[in-house]
Amino acid sequence: EAQVTQNPRYLITVTGKKLTVTCSQNMNHEYMSWYRQDPGLGLRQIYYSMNVEVTDKGDVPEGYKVSRKEKRNFPLILESPSPNQTSLYFCASSFAGNNSPLHFGNGTRLTVT
Amino acid sequence: QKEVEQNSGPLSVPEGAIASLNCTYSDRGSQSFFWYRQYSGKSPELIMSIYSNGDKEDGRFTAQLNKASQYVSLLIRDSQPSDSATYLCAVKDYGNNRLAFGKGNQVVVIP
Repeated sequence: EAQVTQNPRYLITVTGKKLTVTCSQNMNHEYMSWYRQDPGLGLRQIYYSMNVEVTDKGDVPEGYKVSRKEKRNFPLILESPSPNQTSLYFCASSFAGNNSPLHFGNGTRLTVT
Repeated sequence: QKEVEQNSGPLSVPEGAIASLNCTYSDRGSQSFFWYRQYSGKSPELIMSIYSNGDKEDGRFTAQLNKASQYVSLLIRDSQPSDSATYLCAVKDYGNNRLAFGKGNQVVVIP
């Protein structure tokens, strides 16, 4: 089954404790992206990657890191999480063409205390 | 920063009626437009895509695009309670694949 898989689905952590949210897709998509979704603010892009070893900042990159060592994986790293990073996170992927829609993972609900 | 605007506030429609959602965007160079549906706590799922001016119909859904006026709309005909969700308008930048989202419109279909 074609899908984007995120793990974990739920995560509660404390301020300053490094964490990684994994994302993997099995559709051979070139493009991958991370979004966070907060009430009243909608979906905001954190980082995106056009292909392996090519990453770029989105609209809200502060406090996050990403890497794209393999085409299928695009982990999101929070080196020192803070409470303002409590949010619902989505990974998404697509082919590189302009008319290609994004396919979303099931989301990761992160709480930082 | 490219803007995608959707009307705020929930939209309540009786079952069987037409729900109409509108979206405007700021970047005249945008080429691709998408409507996603999102149930509470779930991930967005694609329901419509449109790339050319005019109407595109898919079942009970019709997307309308007017590039000159920079708006895209979604009509849901014969609304069902299962259509109750938040609908997200998304606009893709030409060339870099980035998808910008509006904040969404909540639709409530009243049986």
